[in-house]
Amino acid sequence: AQSVSQHNHHVILSEAASLELGCNYSYGGTVNLFWYVQYPGQHLQLLLKYFSGDPLVKGIKGFEAEFIKSKFSFNLRKPSVQWSDTAEYFCAVGGSYIPTFGRGTSLIVHP
Amino acid sequence: DTEVTQTPKHLVMGMTNKKSLKCEQHMGHRAMYWYKQKAKKPPELMFVYSYEKLSINESVPSRFSPECPNSSLLNLHLHALQPEDSALYLCASSQDGGAHNQPQHFGDGTRLSIL
Repeated sequence: AQSVSQHNHHVILSEAASLELGCNYSYGGTVNLFWYVQYPGQHLQLLLKYFSGDPLVKGIKGFEAEFIKSKFSFNLRKPSVQWSDTAEYFCAVGGSYIPTFGRGTSLIVHP
Repeated sequence: DTEVTQTPKHLVMGMTNKKSLKCEQHMGHRAMYWYKQKAKKPPELMFVYSYEKLSINESVPSRFSPECPNSSLLNLHLHALQPEDSALYLCASSQDGGAHNQPQHFGDGTRLSIL
């Protein structure tokens, strides 16, 4: 079985601060990893994904994530957040079964 | 804008009503999903259709009945729902009907309120 753990449930930052959201997964096979974002009142949308190759993946809106196999981690980063990054962020792991979502991190960015 | 269209956007119904939620995608995706999402919680998987056949039912009560009339459409029929069923119902699709390891495309959801 696969599982995902997001340790930061609520994060509050000021604009221009750096962001790192943690995601750890448990899965025995070849893993595909995703970060989704849900802006207030909007649909879930894909930020970035990792299937194979370069473990540092870049997504939309300046986000990036690093796959560290030895740590079973796929942390999301952004060097300088903006007020518009206020949203729910979900890490998900997929493999041979349906993608499993983490419980999410609520990010609030103060202007 | 999302490429997965869900209707209606909002639905209020009584516990004895029968209603249906609809979902449509024209990306040629062969897997379609229904999720239930409560506020500030992750989506909870309900059903998966692969190549228009129900492949996964996550022990969902029978008052929820899915239907996939064709590869582009997915319905969720509702009957005798309970107040705790009030939530955002999300439809999603992904390209591969078999492996389910591709990114999912989500609709805006239907916000359902049970009176």
